[in-house]
Amino acid sequence: QKEVEQNSGPLSVPEGAIASLNCTYSDRGSQSFFWYRQYSGKSPELIMFIYSNGDKEDGRFTAQLNKASQYVSLLIRDSQPSDSATYLCAVKGAGGYQKVTFGIGTKLQVIP
Amino acid sequence: GAVVSQHPSWVICKSGTSVKIECRSLDFQATTMFWYRQFPKQSLMLMATSNEGSKATYEQGVEKDKFLINHASLTLSTLTVTSAHPEDSSFYICSARGYSSYEQYFGPGTRLTVT
Repeated sequence: QKEVEQNSGPLSVPEGAIASLNCTYSDRGSQSFFWYRQYSGKSPELIMFIYSNGDKEDGRFTAQLNKASQYVSLLIRDSQPSDSATYLCAVKGAGGYQKVTFGIGTKLQVIP
Repeated sequence: GAVVSQHPSWVICKSGTSVKIECRSLDFQATTMFWYRQFPKQSLMLMATSNEGSKATYEQGVEKDKFLINHASLTLSTLTVTSAHPEDSSFYICSARGYSSYEQYFGPGTRLTVT
């Protein structure tokens, strides 16, 4: 079982719709969860992080965490063509120097 | 947000030569730096983790004698690819994490092509 699992996609949504990206993780002791956006040929950019169960909103982005289900998601409202990218889920275990484990990423395509 | 730079952004070298890539945290002190490699259409692969002033910790399967990592200061880490071969051609990305910080910030990456 992979430590961090994501569907590689592509996930296609029409412009203006809500894009829902999902991620599951295997380490129940994980404490910190991150979503990165990576455009083709570029390095990842941190867009959200969440540490507590529930929802965290930042502009059009909402991260959702359910530790009991070991599930974290990212919702993108009013999707724009510029949101088309690969979204990487990353999970950090407990402890100060635990490494961050990345999922394979979900490719999102927003259709104009 | 925190800014991490990398230099060079791209490099072409001949097989058998060595290449050094620099990673700098510009506006924070990076107690931990990470080096990743990414092949086309594949996910990030962690190569090694380095803490300032300590030897790097390499991931399984990564040759420490081939990929030399130095983290001499709180703002600079270097990766040297020694005796590069065409199969080392890849996108090398560093990231940095500050003291008591959970978030990692990535540099823009270095595209290495070995001919």
